[in-house]
Amino acid sequence: EAQVTQNPRYLITVTGKKLTVTCSQNMNHEYMSWYRQDPGLGLRQIYYSMNVEVTDKGDVPEGYKVSRKEKRNFPLILESPSPNQTSLYFCASSIQGSSYNSPLHFGNGTRLTVT
Amino acid sequence: GNSVTQMEGPVTLSEEAFLTINCTYTATGYPSLFWYVQYPGEGLQLLLKATKADDKGSNKGFEATYRKETTSFHLEKGSVQVSDSAVYFCALSGRNNAGNMLTFGGGTRLMVKP
Repeated sequence: EAQVTQNPRYLITVTGKKLTVTCSQNMNHEYMSWYRQDPGLGLRQIYYSMNVEVTDKGDVPEGYKVSRKEKRNFPLILESPSPNQTSLYFCASSIQGSSYNSPLHFGNGTRLTVT
Repeated sequence: GNSVTQMEGPVTLSEEAFLTINCTYTATGYPSLFWYVQYPGEGLQLLLKATKADDKGSNKGFEATYRKETTSFHLEKGSVQVSDSAVYFCALSGRNNAGNMLTFGGGTRLMVKP
């Protein structure tokens, strides 16, 4: 089954404790992206990757890191989480980043709480 | 920059009622427009899209027409069902240096009562 898989689904952590949220897609998509969803703000892009070893900042990259060493994986890293990073996170992928008509396929989300 | 504005929810309707969720946008150039739907506990799924002015996207009884003159992409359905209860997001995608970058509206929660 074609899908985007995120783990974990729920995560509670404390301020300053490094964490990684994994994302994997099995559709051979070139483009991958991370979004955070906050009430009333919709989804805001954190980072995106047009292809392997190519990553760039979205609208709200502060406090996050990503890497794209393999085509299928795009982990999101919080080196020192803070309470304002409490949010619902979504990973997404599409066939080509250069085609703005390619629909995005989303994972089921990771709800992160930082205390 | 690009922006998308949706009507605030929640929108509460009875089954078989007519649905309209308003969406207006600001963008440079000629963006593509999308509606995504998010069911409880799931990620977003593409519902429909339109890539140029006057195009009508449709899927599962939902429709939206790309109106360039009013910069709008309102979502409509003639007869909603309880299973349509979800959060609906309007989005636009414009070609820029960021490639396939979507700008989302704030989302509108729809609740349909039997």
